[in-house]
Amino acid sequence: KQEVTQIPAALSVPEGENLVLNCSFTDSAIYNLQWFRQDPGKGLTSLLLIQSSQREQTSGRLNASLDKSSGRSTLYIAASQPGDSATYLCAVRTNYGQNFVFGPGTRLSVLP
Amino acid sequence: EAGVAQSPRYKIIEKRQSVAFWCNPISGHATLYWYQQILGQGPKLLIQFQNNGVVDDSQLPKDRFSAERLKGVDSTLKIQPAKLEDSAVYLCASSLQFGEKNTEAFFGQGTRLTVV
Repeated sequence: KQEVTQIPAALSVPEGENLVLNCSFTDSAIYNLQWFRQDPGKGLTSLLLIQSSQREQTSGRLNASLDKSSGRSTLYIAASQPGDSATYLCAVRTNYGQNFVFGPGTRLSVLP
Repeated sequence: EAGVAQSPRYKIIEKRQSVAFWCNPISGHATLYWYQQILGQGPKLLIQFQNNGVVDDSQLPKDRFSAERLKGVDSTLKIQPAKLEDSAVYLCASSLQFGEKNTEAFFGQGTRLTVV
């Protein structure tokens, strides 16, 4: 059974810092991995999708990497801004289950 | 492109009452998911549809929860009777069929259910 964890659970940084959010999964037989952002009281916004054959994806100040063999993905946010404050969730889609298994999320606060 | 639509946005009911949530996925998306998100936790899959067939409902509490996706488009999730522990956000998501090149999942705004 696929299990997904995220470290840290919460993170507070001053504006302008570069930061890394971590996601670990127990079963490397994944189809793809997706990073989401969730603002309080809102749904999930897709940030990046990495296929199992890819090593990284970039969108603006965001870069996500994937290392299937070690069961890890990282989300790198460059030059953080107060508007980046949200909860970041990673979700793994397995080859067999077809659905997305989510981690608990990292709650990010970027202080002005 | 229109996103995933859900209604209502908020619902407050008393325990033992029934409630229904509606979802309209992105046009052309064969796969539809219902997730339950309890405060402070990641979403947990309740049920997954491929067109109008159920792919996975192993975590759906079938004694009180039911879902259908008639005609393979809209979907309804029902809870009857509701319990206090059902208080959560219910998220609907859709994606292209598993095996397609891009199976990025898109989520609706969710329905926040409070059972009192």
